[in-house]
Amino acid sequence: AQSVTQLDSHVSVSEGTPVLLRCNYSSSYSPSLFWYVQHPNKGLQLLLKYTSAATLVKGINGFEAEFKKSETSFHLTKPSAHMSDAAEYFCVVSDNQGGKLIFGQGTELSVKP
Amino acid sequence: NAGVMQNPRHLVRRRGQEARLRCSPMKGHSHVYWYRQLPEEGLKFMVYLQKENIIDESGMPKERFSAEFPKEGPSILRIQQVVRGDSAAYFCASSPTKQQNTEAFFGQGTRLTVV
Repeated sequence: AQSVTQLDSHVSVSEGTPVLLRCNYSSSYSPSLFWYVQHPNKGLQLLLKYTSAATLVKGINGFEAEFKKSETSFHLTKPSAHMSDAAEYFCVVSDNQGGKLIFGQGTELSVKP
Repeated sequence: NAGVMQNPRHLVRRRGQEARLRCSPMKGHSHVYWYRQLPEEGLKFMVYLQKENIIDESGMPKERFSAEFPKEGPSILRIQQVVRGDSAAYFCASSPTKQQNTEAFFGQGTRLTVV
């Protein structure tokens, strides 16, 4: 069975400093992994996805994530945080048998001026 | 091409009433997924439907909840005799194929409050 664990429920950074949101996954298959962002009272927007091509995946708004099979990790990073990055971030694995998405618990990112 | 449309955005129901949540997938998408997000939690899969068929309902509560995706019209998530614990945000996602590598597009959600 597939699962994801987001290691931090809340991360706080200062504007202009790097962002690191950690995610570990468990999968019996070669996984498809995603990061979604949810702004308050809004829907979810896809930031990036890993689908067994390049292990370093670039997404929107300057975010990127690196798939590390040996560590079963898919951490999300951004070199320089912006105030508008404050939101909830979800690491997600796709159930390759049925197509449904399995979400982590989420990491709330706060950005201080 | 409009995105995934959910309505209503907010729904208030008294305990014991019925709640009907609608989801119109993106044009050309025949796969619909419903997820529930309880406060302070991630999204939990409920049901996966393809036109006129329920493919996977492993995440649906055994009682009071049902879903359909008719040949014509939106997908409907129906909750009968709502209880306080049903208060949550319900999200619909659609994709052109079974998800796997394909991006799922999410609606804005319906926030159900049971009073």
